[in-house]
Amino acid sequence: AQTVTQSQPEMSVQEAETVTLSCTYDTSESNYYLFWYKQPPSRQMILVIRQEAYKQQNATENRFSVNFQKAAKSFSLKISDSQLGDTAMYFCAFMKHEAQGGSEKLVFGKGTKLTVNP
Amino acid sequence: EPEVTQTPSHQVTQMGQEVILRCVPISNHLYFYWYRQILGQKVEFLVSFYNNEISEKSEIFDDQFSVERPDGSNFTLKIRSTKLEDSAMYFCASSRGLIMAGETQYFGPGTRLLVL
Repeated sequence: AQTVTQSQPEMSVQEAETVTLSCTYDTSESNYYLFWYKQPPSRQMILVIRQEAYKQQNATENRFSVNFQKAAKSFSLKISDSQLGDTAMYFCAFMKHEAQGGSEKLVFGKGTKLTVNP
Repeated sequence: EPEVTQTPSHQVTQMGQEVILRCVPISNHLYFYWYRQILGQKVEFLVSFYNNEISEKSEIFDDQFSVERPDGSNFTLKIRSTKLEDSAMYFCASSRGLIMAGETQYFGPGTRLLVL
């Protein structure tokens, strides 16, 4: 079974600074997908960024980028130029590739609560 | 932008009672999911639903749980006889297609269930 570990329960960063959230995972699969979801206070989870394991290039979405280290099974999220609106719970998630296109369940970490301070 | 909605936002029930949690997925979505998060623990997959049947269910999803898409818009999770350990935040999610095909699972805001 796959597991996802987020070792930082809480983090804080000053506005405009850069912060990196850690995520490691354990799997025997070679083909899979990784995600970072953001959950602002009292709001739903929204997808921040995704990475396909077969892609060597790290995904980037504006101020959000990942450092995907497949051999180390590490998938960290870097937020540049942090904004107050980035304050949220961040969840790392894993999904294995289903060859027959069946159910696609996400396996989540416990989350990291990020606070951006003014 | 379309969103997944869930009702109620909070529900308190007595142990042994039946509860129905409701979700309205995004209208053109075909794949539906329920997850739950016990306080302080990980978000866990419960069940996936496609083409009017369960695609996969976890060990948590025992005979006390059922899902239904009664009218083509709502997607419900029923717990027949609630237990204290069912207290959790329940998230509904939907997707237009498969993540493998580049689609995304969109989540609702959750229903916080408290079983007393």
